This record gives sequence, structure tokens and C-alpha cells, in this order.
Amino acid sequence: GQSLEQPSEVTAVEGAIVQINCTYQTSGFYGLSWYQQHDGGAPTFLSYNALDGLEETGRFSSFLSRSDSYGYLLLQELQMKDSASYFCAVRDNEGSNYQLIWGAGTKLIIKP
Amino acid sequence: DGGITQSPKYLFRKEGQNVTLSCEQNLNHDAMYWYRQDPGQGLRLIYYSQIVNDFQKGDIAEGYSVSREKKESFPLTVTSAQKNPTAFYLCASSIDPVTTYNEQFFGPGTRLTVL
Repeated sequence: GQSLEQPSEVTAVEGAIVQINCTYQTSGFYGLSWYQQHDGGAPTFLSYNALDGLEETGRFSSFLSRSDSYGYLLLQELQMKDSASYFCAVRDNEGSNYQLIWGAGTKLIIKP
Repeated sequence: DGGITQSPKYLFRKEGQNVTLSCEQNLNHDAMYWYRQDPGQGLRLIYYSQIVNDFQKGDIAEGYSVSREKKESFPLTVTSAQKNPTAFYLCASSIDPVTTYNEQFFGPGTRLTVL
């Protein structure tokens, strides 16, 4: 089967750094995406990695290791507004379907 | 402003009734998607459409139906055959899912409750 594993919940302190891991097992792989979703809201795109390495966008960075089927999202200088759920998603190119396979999400709790 | 709109935001349905959720986008995106999200869970794909007049079943299509008569519109009907329809429904679109990766843009969602 195809699956993505990420921790269900992570707690961190305002101003700190937190890493959210994602391991995947899929039949095809085009790349790993990260989305943020605040409670009751719509997911919004954060980053996409198709090749190994680190991609940096402001306070957020995303890393991919295709050989390890592993990636992570790194959030620096945490702010209270970063409290949200974070989802990793893999673009699966099996057959002619270009769907995203989603993890169950990691709820990030930030304490002052 | 370009974006995706979904209506209504909250919807209540009696058991045995069909209900249609609206999704409209003015981003000129080719692809559109319907997801279901249950509390504390990720997104599960119901249906997706890559072009007008064509759509494909996702992982949990049973009890749902869609149409794509216009590029801008992708309504979802939740039929009485869906045994547990209470959930948060999200519509999304992307430019072109075939040639390269494109982020998905989401609407604000419709929260459906079956009474």
C-alpha cells in the first residue's frame, strides 16, 4: 500500500525551531509537498521538493532525501500564528493519475 | 481577486437526502479536485477532473457524484448512498497536473452535517 507517516502532534516554544518529519512509501514519486492548515481553514501551500536537498523560504525550510524516502519541514523563529496542522503530500505518478497522497497531518502547538 | 469559492459554508442534511456542494474557480486552472477531511485526519480524494467533461474517481468516490460542464465549475453531489457523509469538504484546483508540479489552491470548505 501507499502511506505517509508524520507525527500526530508536536509542541514547541515561541521563538524556537521545530522539525516535522515525513516518511513515505509510494509506488511512484514526483515530489514532496507541505501544506499548512489552520483550524477550520483551507490548506495553503508551503513548499515542494522534487530533488534531494534543502529548500528555504523565509522562516520555513523543507528537506528531501529520496534514497531514504524521507523529508522534513523546518520552522524557525516560531510565532504563535504558526500554530496549525502541517501536512506532507506526495505526488504519485502511478499510471495516468497525478494525484497527491496526503499524510494525516501534524498538529503544531506553540506555547508562549 | 482570483480564487476558489465554495458554498454553502455550513450545510445540514437529513438522512436520505441528496445534497450538492458548489465549487467555482476563476483562476483559469485546468484541474479541479474534491477532498473529504474528517477530524484529525488528512485529506482523502473523492474525485478529480483534469479537463472539462472528464473526471476520475479518487480513493473514496462511492456515494458521491460530480460533473465538469464548465472549466470554472466542479459541483459535488453527496447522495443518500454515502453512509457517513458528515465531514469537511474541500475543493481545490491546480494549473496543469500533468506536465509539472503545480500547487493546489483550496477553497474555504463546506462543513456538511447529517442530522
